[in-house]
Amino acid sequence: EAGVTQFPSHSVIEKGQTVTLRCDPISGHDNLYWYRRVMGKEIKFLLHFVKESKQDESGMPNNRFLAERTGGTYSTLKVQPAELEDSGVYFCASSQQVQETQYFGPGTRLLVL
Amino acid sequence: EDQVTQSPEALRLQEGESSSLNCSYTVSGLRGLFWYRQDPGKGPEFLFTLYSAGEEKEKERLKATLTKKESFLHITAPKPEDSATYLCAVKGDNYGQNFVFGPGTRLSVLP
Repeated sequence: EAGVTQFPSHSVIEKGQTVTLRCDPISGHDNLYWYRRVMGKEIKFLLHFVKESKQDESGMPNNRFLAERTGGTYSTLKVQPAELEDSGVYFCASSQQVQETQYFGPGTRLLVL
Repeated sequence: EDQVTQSPEALRLQEGESSSLNCSYTVSGLRGLFWYRQDPGKGPEFLFTLYSAGEEKEKERLKATLTKKESFLHITAPKPEDSATYLCAVKGDNYGQNFVFGPGTRLSVLP
């Protein structure tokens, strides 16, 4: 069974540019989560989808971040315009049930210059 | 507010030298406590889920235990391939509560 996949693995952009990250969850997992780890800090929750609906987006830092999950399959996280403080590793995770173990992808390393 | 702390921040062991990692948590109603292993450049890899005080789980050289305030990850006779960052996370019982991660313990096992 394929795990959670994320694309790209790395992205280097300039301040003000736009970047879109993609996550493909484990097949059959209705719950999809986005997390972020900035340098030297803990992994922090960003938002949670149940199928195509946003269940909780309380962790989204500001309106420069837009997450979508059309059709309840893969998800994208767009940062527009990117700022220096957006640099970090963005992880995606999925689970079958909301209260169950989450399985993480390898992450996308974003560097904003 | 849910909180997770982990100690020590970093730990260096000789191969075969057993030790324990600590995860202390504060959560309003524990739904589950999760241990993950993270290798450099990779995502967290699931190890264990513990649901209630007194529960224990084992996998190879690792054993996780849980009390009402903390969890321990015991490593018995570690090998160099056990070197990684070990992350602890908790999830509260209230609907909408999401994973709260600790900062992790960086374990290095020297041959």
